[in-house]
Formats: sequence, structure tokens, C-alpha cells
Amino acid sequence: NAGVTQTPKFQVLKTGQSMTLQCAQDMNHNSMYWYRQDPGMGLRLIYYSASEGTTDKGEVPNGYNVSRLNKREFSLRLESAAPSQTSVYFCASRPLLGVTEAFFGQGTRLTVV
Amino acid sequence: QKEVEQNSGPLSVPEGAIASLNCTYSDRGSQSFFWYRQYSGKSPELIMFIYSNGDKEDGRFTAQLNKASQYVSLLIRDSQPSDSATYLCAVTGSSASKIIFGSGTRLSIRP
Repeated sequence: NAGVTQTPKFQVLKTGQSMTLQCAQDMNHNSMYWYRQDPGMGLRLIYYSASEGTTDKGEVPNGYNVSRLNKREFSLRLESAAPSQTSVYFCASRPLLGVTEAFFGQGTRLTVV
Repeated sequence: QKEVEQNSGPLSVPEGAIASLNCTYSDRGSQSFFWYRQYSGKSPELIMFIYSNGDKEDGRFTAQLNKASQYVSLLIRDSQPSDSATYLCAVTGSSASKIIFGSGTRLSIRP
């Protein structure tokens, strides 16, 4: 049981380049999330998808787009990367609303130079 | 004002003592409250959740919730060096689908 899988694990981009971070879960969860984590900032919510077919902005959505491709997959796209987007990105999934925990992927460390 | 606030620490506690971690939140409609632990370079992992006012105990861990004061805390009894980590408070908003995290408290247990 793989849980939540993120690809790639590491990436270096040049300013202005674009890329898509992939996330897939095999737990049949309804909700999926993208967070970024910077030193001393905790986890900040970028976008989330409460269920297949819906997406909503979180706390820091500027500069990002998302796609809920199907129930398993939720991708995060950086159209024109900026150094301020250097961060560790975590994808998470959650089975149901209410009192259910979120399960996290292993993270993607992104550096924009 | 951030939706979920935590003291960033570091909080230093001697081994065997009680560590007390605190969190406040701004959305009165918040429904569920979680404590995650994160070791350096790793993903967050759930320690406990709570959704009713009062205390909830699980082994050495006790979560406390006071919705009137918009306050949730985590107590760690008999602190061990392996408890040294960053502790993240997370709260679901009124919509129940959005989960917002605090900035985390770094805890250090000194032998």
C-alpha cells in the first residue's frame, strides 16, 4: 500500500520555467490538498479539492494552478517559477469530511534559481 | 491575523517532564482539531485529533479543547528525547474540508 505518492522528490528550476508536481493516492480518499512549507512557516495551504471535480483556493494560491484529474490524482502546476516558490511541497489526502486525518506524501523539495 | 497561531519556540523541556504546547484559532465555526508531529526532513504524522470540548488522552499524550476560548493544547507526559520534533496544530474550518495549519512549535527534550 503506497499511500500518497509525490513525484518528483527533488527538482531545480530556472526562473520562468514551468513544471507540474504530481500527486497520487491509492486509498480511495475524497479530499486532496497541496501545501508548501518554508522554514518557520509551518504548512500553508495552496489549493485543495474537497471531492473529485472541485478545487478551491487556500491561503497562498497565487502563482499556482491545480487539476483534480480523477479521484486518485491531484497535480500542482507552476506556470512561471519564481525564487519565492522555492519550498518543500506536500500533498495530502483525506477520506471523508469531518474528523478524519490527512495523510501526507513524502514531499517535493523544489529550488528555483 | 493567521487563522491558526502557535508559539514557534523552541520549547526546551527536561527529559521526564511535561511538555505543554498551545494553539489558538480564529474561526469560531471550526469543527475538528489535530496535532501532528514532524521530524526534520520528514512528513507530518498524526498524533491525536479532538472535536469535543474537554480532554482526550492517548498514552502519554493529552489533547485539550476549549471552543469558547478558541484554544487547543497538547500535553506530553514523561517527555522523551524521541519527542524532540516540530508539533503542528491543524484546524478544519466551517466548511470542514479545508485544513489550516499553524506555523508549528519546535520542541527539544534535553537529557
